[in-house]
Amino acid sequence: DSGVTQTPKHLITATGQRVTLRCSPRSGDLSVYWYQQSLDQGLQFLIQYYNGEERAKGNILERFSAQQFPDLHSELNLSSLELGDSALYFCASSVGVFNEQFFGPGTRLTVL
Amino acid sequence: EDQVTQSPEALRLQEGESSSLNCSYTVSGLRGLFWYRQDPGKGPEFLFTLYSAGEEKEKERLKATLTKKESFLHITAPKPEDSATYLCAVQADSYQLIWGAGTKLIIKP
Repeated sequence: DSGVTQTPKHLITATGQRVTLRCSPRSGDLSVYWYQQSLDQGLQFLIQYYNGEERAKGNILERFSAQQFPDLHSELNLSSLELGDSALYFCASSVGVFNEQFFGPGTRLTVL
Repeated sequence: EDQVTQSPEALRLQEGESSSLNCSYTVSGLRGLFWYRQDPGKGPEFLFTLYSAGEEKEKERLKATLTKKESFLHITAPKPEDSATYLCAVQADSYQLIWGAGTKLIIKP
């Protein structure tokens, strides 16, 4: 157990809908990262927050947005969902911005 | 352009047959190199951090080493439970980790 929690574990929804994924980092970690992993694909970095501020942006679609709240938990919002958005979404956290990341168990999103 | 390449893509070994996985990188300003293990459908599990050439880290049957151009993950006398995808990631001067595509390791009993 890495100490990073993600909810929900599974999410099934329809095209065009909007969902919110939630992540709680390890105690003491200030950075939160979001990744997307499609079936048998590599990890695609989406976005990073450090202590509430956006620090880095990867290949995140405009339909996706994220934020980190004062209590350091983070939410990833996915809207106008398409079939191709079906994937595992991982959250990771680290102490700072140049440290090893610890991953949560992921949220499996299925878009029908 | 910063780049991380892992080889081989897949590796099948017999139980007890030692081998090495490679992670070569081209980045400006290496701040750290990380190794992870990922089981299917699970989040990557952190294994090691290496910061400078010549550094080595060990954990059970795994040993990670680092040179100026590449890192090796040596696996000694592997067991079937070592089967997983092993990921390498490099931290350069940017905040973003650069990930390799991974090596899928299969250990046959």
